[in-house]
Amino acid sequence: QSALTQPASVSGSPGQSITISCTGTSSDVGGYNYVSWYQQHPGKAPKLMIYDVSNRPSGVSNRFSGSKSGNTASLTISGLQAEDEADYYCSSYTSSSPWVFGGGTKLTVL
Amino acid sequence: QVQLVQSGAEVKKPGASVKVSCKASGYTFTSYDINWVRQATGQGLEWMGWMNPNSGNTGYAQKFQGRVTMTRNTSISTAYMELSSLRSEDTAVYYCAREVAATGYYMDVWGKGTTVTVSS
Repeated sequence: QSALTQPASVSGSPGQSITISCTGTSSDVGGYNYVSWYQQHPGKAPKLMIYDVSNRPSGVSNRFSGSKSGNTASLTISGLQAEDEADYYCSSYTSSSPWVFGGGTKLTVL
Repeated sequence: QVQLVQSGAEVKKPGASVKVSCKASGYTFTSYDINWVRQATGQGLEWMGWMNPNSGNTGYAQKFQGRVTMTRNTSISTAYMELSSLRSEDTAVYYCAREVAATGYYMDVWGKGTTVTVSS
């Protein structure tokens, strides 16, 4: 199972919005509405930010939103804040594994 | 609160085995699958496998087939991941994560990770 494709890095200024893409295939992202997004700060465990494509767990800011079109899922962070600077990983249920992760995206808040 | 507490860091020699534990609290251990995910330094997350604590059923990523074993002790709400024939490339932080599979599929609670260093 190949990893999902994410951009290596994205950046934005405080207050701006950014979007991170996550591209898979019809066997994973495109085939199921089970895409999740995780935030990871250095030296910390991943934290669930979005599940089932667009749902936010309790306690996660509504500045975080998720969507999907075809084989590509997206995470959008609006009103960027310094604390959002972290690595972000997408994950999808697959027909084989059952889980596959993206390679990760480093978000820099300028 | 719901949490997964992992065992401490390990240093192993090439060829040895390591067994990492993951103790669950705050919920019914047998009601949620446990997944194991690892992360080499500076690298991304890599899914290793899952275990159903109720049945003991497991599923492993093809890459780890034959080298990984996931077990549990329900009396102490603890899951284990054992990786054998260690090599330097297995140096990583190993995480356990609870999988929700009711209304959707995702891993909602993660342990803090266990660092495994493989070095001669």
